[in-house]
Amino acid sequence: NAGVTQTPKFRVLKTGQSMTLLCAQDMNHEYMYWYRQDPGMGLRLIHYSVGEGTTAKGEVPDGYNVSRLKKQNFLLGLESAAPSQTSVYFCASSYSIVRGTGGTGELFFGEGSRLTVL
Amino acid sequence: KNEVEQSPQNLTAQEGEFITINCSYSVGISALHWLQQHPGGGIVSLFMLSSGKKKHGRLIATINIQEKHSSLHITASHPRDSAVYICAVSSWNRDDKIIFGKGTRLHILP
Repeated sequence: NAGVTQTPKFRVLKTGQSMTLLCAQDMNHEYMYWYRQDPGMGLRLIHYSVGEGTTAKGEVPDGYNVSRLKKQNFLLGLESAAPSQTSVYFCASSYSIVRGTGGTGELFFGEGSRLTVL
Repeated sequence: KNEVEQSPQNLTAQEGEFITINCSYSVGISALHWLQQHPGGGIVSLFMLSSGKKKHGRLIATINIQEKHSSLHITASHPRDSAVYICAVSSWNRDDKIIFGKGTRLHILP
């Protein structure tokens, strides 16, 4: 049982390059999230999904796109990377206790992906 | 004002001391989470609670829904407890999104 797996764990990009981060969970969770963590800022929500085929914007969605074509996978894309996107990215998943009431279950996080944009 | 506030932001203590980290929130919640992040490491869920008190080993988490306040206690602290502790809430009036505090950095000296 792998839990939540993120790939890649480290990546260096040049400004303007594109890349995709993959998050995979094997717990059949409905909810999946992408966060970025920057010094002094805490975790900030980029995009999230409450089920297969659905995505929604979080606090800081600009410059990112996401897709949830399969329930177990949540992809985060950077179309044209910028230095401001240098960060550590965390994926998380949870089951839904009662959908629509904020009733998320226990959170499971991936190990993080450190992205540097030069 | 942040919707989830933690105190203190930083805490240094001697091994063996009793540690308390506080979390206050201003939104309606269905659950509160305590998370742990070791330096350079991933994030692990310690507790999820919606009422009362939970205990895992030397860790105790309490919540007072009426006062919108939660505490995380560590008994007989140890240097391996050194980490950032994050409070987060699942808010029923935030469309299923989770709101995070900025974390409390704990350093336990041997």
